[in-house]
Amino acid sequence: EVQLVESGGGVVRPGGSLRLSCAASGFTFDDYGMSWVRQAPGKGLEWVSGINWNGGSTGYADSVKGRFTISRDNAKNSLYLQMNSLRAEDTALYHCARTPYDYIWGSYRERYFDYWGQGTLVTVSS
Amino acid sequence: QSVLTQPPSVSAAPGQKVTISCSGSSSNIGNNYVSWYQQLPGTAPKLLIYDNNKRPSGIPDRFSGSKSGTSATLGITGLQTGDEADYYCGTWDSSLSEVVFGGGTKLTVL
Repeated sequence: EVQLVESGGGVVRPGGSLRLSCAASGFTFDDYGMSWVRQAPGKGLEWVSGINWNGGSTGYADSVKGRFTISRDNAKNSLYLQMNSLRAEDTALYHCARTPYDYIWGSYRERYFDYWGQGTLVTVSS
Repeated sequence: QSVLTQPPSVSAAPGQKVTISCSGSSSNIGNNYVSWYQQLPGTAPKLLIYDNNKRPSGIPDRFSGSKSGTSATLGITGLQTGDEADYYCGTWDSSLSEVVFGGGTKLTVL
């Protein structure tokens, strides 16, 4: 059974940092890309970042580019999101998701999210 | 403002059929695969449709997906009260190099 369990959320002041983790099990982790998708309270889904099987290809939403860094450790079956310079608008439930991907004309493309974790809540407030 | 446009809400009676539209452009839906997600209250999203019209194992054939040009549609037949949820479309945007989602559609089964 595929399981994705996020951790690392909490309350942080504007300008602060947090590191989210996602522990994966039930599948061959390095066969898949992985992503972070967030949902602000009462709002819709927003893709944050994605990474291919070995970290050689990554992508970021414009809203987090330069502040967030995605990474993975295949030996530990784990995905990470380092979040710096946090803002109030980053307040959300952060889900990790298993992500089939491909390359189109040499460019990384995420196809869909077939398994999701329950999420970890990040609150940015003074 | 979402890149993909969905109606905020739809409703239908139990046993009836409903469709949810998702409108985009040539940089997203027009040249990439569309997926659909169901989010029941208080739960994580669940994949319903991928690659425009494919259903993952375990998803009943009451759920279907289609794509034409720069629009996509999710169809649900034989509506059940348990289908009440928020539904999201998503796809890759080749110009933005990002995954984009619709704003979500709340389905009410009257």
